[in-house]
Amino acid sequence: NAGVTQTPKFRILKIGQSMTLQCTQDMNHNYMYWYRQDPGMGLKLIYYSVGAGITDKGEVPNGYNVSRSTTEDFPLRLELAAPSQTSVYFCASSREGRTDTQYFGPGTRLTVL
Amino acid sequence: AQSVTQPDIHITVSEGASLELRCNYSYGATPYLFWYVQSPGQGLQLLLKYFSGDTLVQGIKGFEAEFKRSQSSFNLRKPSVHWSDAAEYFCAVGAPDSWGKLQFGAGTQVVVTP
Repeated sequence: NAGVTQTPKFRILKIGQSMTLQCTQDMNHNYMYWYRQDPGMGLKLIYYSVGAGITDKGEVPNGYNVSRSTTEDFPLRLELAAPSQTSVYFCASSREGRTDTQYFGPGTRLTVL
Repeated sequence: AQSVTQPDIHITVSEGASLELRCNYSYGATPYLFWYVQSPGQGLQLLLKYFSGDTLVQGIKGFEAEFKRSQSSFNLRKPSVHWSDAAEYFCAVGAPDSWGKLQFGAGTQVVVTP
């Protein structure tokens, strides 16, 4: 099992550009999550999904979009990148919500200049 | 809404010494409590979790945590630290009536000296 994989590992964007962060899990987990991590701020939930075709906003969704067409994939789309979106992005998955362990990918470090 | 506070941003500990990381939460009932560890350049890994029952919870890598309802705390401990324990540690809180959304603390950076 590869677990949760994320691509790319690093990316530099110019202001106003768009990109998609890829996330794939091979554990057949129903729940998937996108977080961003800023220094000294812990992790903030951007979007989550409880199954294919079902997504919802987290704590900081503005400037992002998601889709979940399959159980395995949960891409995060940044439209019109802004410097405030400079962060490290983590994708995670869990078999179910509530008490279940979340498994994290290695992260994508994004810089917007 | 629940919240979680990790009062210590940075802790330096000698190898072989004991370690205690503090976590305080705010929630109306007993929440679900988690400790995750993040090694440099890596994603987060679960160390242990508490939902109910015995208030002393054992985790991986020799860590344990104790839930104290009266103090709204869930402190993480390790009796003897190894150099490989240098990492950032996050406490997280989940509401039992939610689908699994977690509120993470800001993290505590642990440095281990020889």
